[in-house]
Amino acid sequence: EAGVTQFPSHSVIEKGQTVTLRCDPISGHDNLYWYRRVMGKEIKFLLHFVKESKQDESGMPNNRFLAERTGGTYSTLKVQPAELEDSGVYFCASSPPRTSAKETQYFGPGTRLLVL
Amino acid sequence: DAKTTQPNSMESNEEEPVHLPCNHSTISGTDYIHWYRQLPSQGPEYVIHGLTSNVNNRMASLAIAEDRKSSTLILHRATLRDAAVYYCILRDIYAGGTSYGKLTFGQGTILTVHP
Repeated sequence: EAGVTQFPSHSVIEKGQTVTLRCDPISGHDNLYWYRRVMGKEIKFLLHFVKESKQDESGMPNNRFLAERTGGTYSTLKVQPAELEDSGVYFCASSPPRTSAKETQYFGPGTRLLVL
Repeated sequence: DAKTTQPNSMESNEEEPVHLPCNHSTISGTDYIHWYRQLPSQGPEYVIHGLTSNVNNRMASLAIAEDRKSSTLILHRATLRDAAVYYCILRDIYAGGTSYGKLTFGQGTILTVHP
């Protein structure tokens, strides 16, 4: 069974440009999460989809970040315009239906974003 | 989610057992204790979880104190592949709504394994 995949693995862009990150969850996983770690900080939650609906977007830092999950399959996270402080590693995770505190989240390898 | 406290770093020798502690003195009765780890250049991966009783799986064991204010992740024989950052995370089974989906990561413990 394929795991969570993320594309691209690395991205280097200039301040002010737009970048779109993609996450393909494990097939059948209704729950999809985005997290990020910026330099020297802890991994922080960004948002949670259940199928195509945003269940919790309390961690989104500002309106430069737009996440979508059309059709409830893969998800994209767009940063527009990118700022220097957006540099970091963006992780996607997925989990099966029926979210609960016993649930296991499966993480992708991350996208390393560097904004110059 | 309740807060957890872990040592910043620990070291071990290969083939020896490793005990990674986690303090969670404000744990509630409905909090599950989860452990994840992050290997270098990879995303976090699930290790083990428990509520009250000790738990074993193919990766590790989880020992939970009787008062549940602390727990210990046990790697029975550390290998070089176990070098990672280990995270202890609490999740409330009754949080419901929008709050219990996310994982709240702390600083974790950096485990170094020496050959």
